[in-house]
Amino acid sequence: AQRVTQPEKLLSVFKGAPVELKCNYSYSGSPELFWYVQYSRQRLQLLLRHISRESIKGFTADLNKGETSFHLKKPFAQEEDSAMYYCALSFTYGSQGNLIFGKGTKLSVKP
Amino acid sequence: DAMVIQNPRYQVTQFGKPVTLSCSQTLNHNVMYWYQQKSSQAPKLLFHYYDKDFNNEADTPDNFQSRRPNTSFCFLDIRSPGLGDAAMYLCATSSHRESYEQYFGPGTRLTVT
Repeated sequence: AQRVTQPEKLLSVFKGAPVELKCNYSYSGSPELFWYVQYSRQRLQLLLRHISRESIKGFTADLNKGETSFHLKKPFAQEEDSAMYYCALSFTYGSQGNLIFGKGTKLSVKP
Repeated sequence: DAMVIQNPRYQVTQFGKPVTLSCSQTLNHNVMYWYQQKSSQAPKLLFHYYDKDFNNEADTPDNFQSRRPNTSFCFLDIRSPGLGDAAMYLCATSSHRESYEQYFGPGTRLTVT
C-alpha cells in the first residue's frame, strides 16, 4: 500500500541553522512527490514538487528512489519558516493528482 | 483574488443531525477534492470530482456524500454525524492546465455534540 512517513512530529532549530525535514514513502511505481506547507492561520499550500527541481524560499528536496526518501532541506533556517510541513505522494502520475499525505512535521525556528 | 472558499469556517452539529459543508472556487478548476483531517493526523482524501465524474475513495464511509452542481461549487453532506466525524474538512481544487497542483481552502472545523 502507498504510504508517506514523516518520522518527526516536531523539529526545533535556531535561526541560521541547517534544517532537514525527513520524508520516506512506500510505493512500487513511479511516484510524484510534493512538499506542502501551512503557516499559522493560513491555508495549506504547495511548497515544491520533485519534478520541478526548484528551490523555493531556499528549500530544496531531492527524490532518492534507492532510499525511497524525499527529504526537505534548507541550509539556513529563518524564523518565518516556522510552519507545519507535509510531505505528499501522488500515485496517479500525470493524472488527477490524488495525494497521500504524511502526518506532518511542525518546524519551529527560534531566534 | 481567485481562490477556494469554504463556508462556514466553524460548524457545530448535533449527533445524528445532517450537516452540509460548502466549497466554492473562482479558479475554474475542473477537479475538486474533499479531505478529512483529524487532530495530529494527515489530511485524508474522502472523494473527488473530475468534472462531473464522482470518485469515491474505497474506505470513505457511506455516511459521507458529495454533490457538485456546477464547476464552481461542491458540497460535503454528512448524513448522520457521529462523534468520530469531528474534524477539519478541507476542500481543494486542481486543473490539468496547472499539472494538478492542488489549491486548498481554509477548511471547515466541524464539532459534533
